[in-house]
Amino acid sequence: QSALTQPASVSGSPGQSITISCTGTSSDVGYYNYVSWYQQHPGKAPKLLIYDVSNRPSGVSNRFSGSKSGNTASLTISGLQAEDEADYYCSSYTSSSTFWVFGGGTKLTVL
Amino acid sequence: QVQLVESGGGVVQPGRSLRLSCAASEFSFNSHSMHWVRQAPGKGLEWVAVVWYDGSKKYYADSVKGRFTISRDTSRNTLYLQMNSLRAEDTAVYYCARDGNSGQFDYWGQGTLVTVSS
Repeated sequence: QSALTQPASVSGSPGQSITISCTGTSSDVGYYNYVSWYQQHPGKAPKLLIYDVSNRPSGVSNRFSGSKSGNTASLTISGLQAEDEADYYCSSYTSSSTFWVFGGGTKLTVL
Repeated sequence: QVQLVESGGGVVQPGRSLRLSCAASEFSFNSHSMHWVRQAPGKGLEWVAVVWYDGSKKYYADSVKGRFTISRDTSRNTLYLQMNSLRAEDTAVYYCARDGNSGQFDYWGQGTLVTVSS
């Protein structure tokens, strides 16, 4: 069982917006602003999309945005495109002995 | 462009050892902490270990503590993961990842597959 909880799957049609949640605890997501999000296509390495809750690295589309409220972080993808179909993972630094934790991943299907 | 290239994966019997390497280039290696993250077949990501940018601190996931050792060689711009007493549940693709200095994994290697099987 992963330390952070994500929905197993979400779906949306091209052009729509979707949001993926990532629920942790007061020891990780709720305490630190070190929440990041990753996109992983099949057979590929993960790619950083969002860091420090809501910052985008250069080169990442502004269709991707992040936020946090309490113990839950969220990734929103607007203007869905076919190439957005992938697995998405959240991660957070934690004060537990694990130091860094990931969510179980969310499979995004673009209908 | 930042490059991270892992090597050293393969098939190994339970209880044996394996050492993974990650060759880093196109960035200042001694300015970034470095991580190992693994992914079991069909499963999610699991953080394994981190070594501080200057090698002064090392931390491990509970699942590998006492069996795995992370290290870095600044002269070779290379990150290592020494894996001892391997178990079937260590079977995974192992990625090295650069720490972006804010707790994020900002660059990843292509991964190397470790299969623990008799």
